[in-house]
Amino acid sequence: QVQLQESGPGLVKPSETLSLTCSVSGGSFSGYYWNFIRQSPGKGLEWIGYIYYSGTTNYNPSLKSRATISLDTSKNQFSLQLTSVTAADTAMYYCARWGGRSYGLYFDNWGQGTLVTVSS
Amino acid sequence: DIQMTQSPSSLSASVGDRVIITCRASQSINNYLNWYQQKPGKAPNLLISAATSLQSGVPSRFSGSGSGTDFTLTISSLQPEDLATYYCQHSHSTPWTFGQGTKVEIK
Repeated sequence: QVQLQESGPGLVKPSETLSLTCSVSGGSFSGYYWNFIRQSPGKGLEWIGYIYYSGTTNYNPSLKSRATISLDTSKNQFSLQLTSVTAADTAMYYCARWGGRSYGLYFDNWGQGTLVTVSS
Repeated sequence: DIQMTQSPSSLSASVGDRVIITCRASQSINNYLNWYQQKPGKAPNLLISAATSLQSGVPSRFSGSGSGTDFTLTISSLQPEDLATYYCQHSHSTPWTFGQGTKVEIK
């Protein structure tokens, strides 16, 4: 069973860059889409974007090009960078796997989440 | 973006009750609809995919129905462990979006 685990700073200052890493164990990157999703009381669950195992990315336009997701298969990790953060970016951040047309159009595995607060 | 609207936003029911949660999409999504259960302090967990397909290990008291724009999640006999918030999510096209959630409480 694949397991995902988020890591990164819990506190980020306004206007700075939020950086999170998701470590994947017990499974292969091949054939899957690797996602970041966030959850805040104000906006509920919001899909941020994904990186396919081949390196193709897709982002939610609502983030106005502030998000970048990268993949390091040698370390079994993928990462999120979100620039120019504001208090509105305060949320629980999850990483999650999406199966696509090969393995299923749904998020079948999630990390436990990491809380990120944007504050000076 | 496709907007997903759930109702009710919360409900309180007794053990053994039948519970129905509805989800409406702002445009037709065929059967590209998933349901997740989120227990307090935990990540969401997939219950149902493609509107009606129950995931392995999920109790048979959970069922899903619908297509097009209108969908339902039914819990046939509510159990204490079903205390959670339930979310619908469409997989029709990106950006994938979620409903705002339905919080289920036990009377």
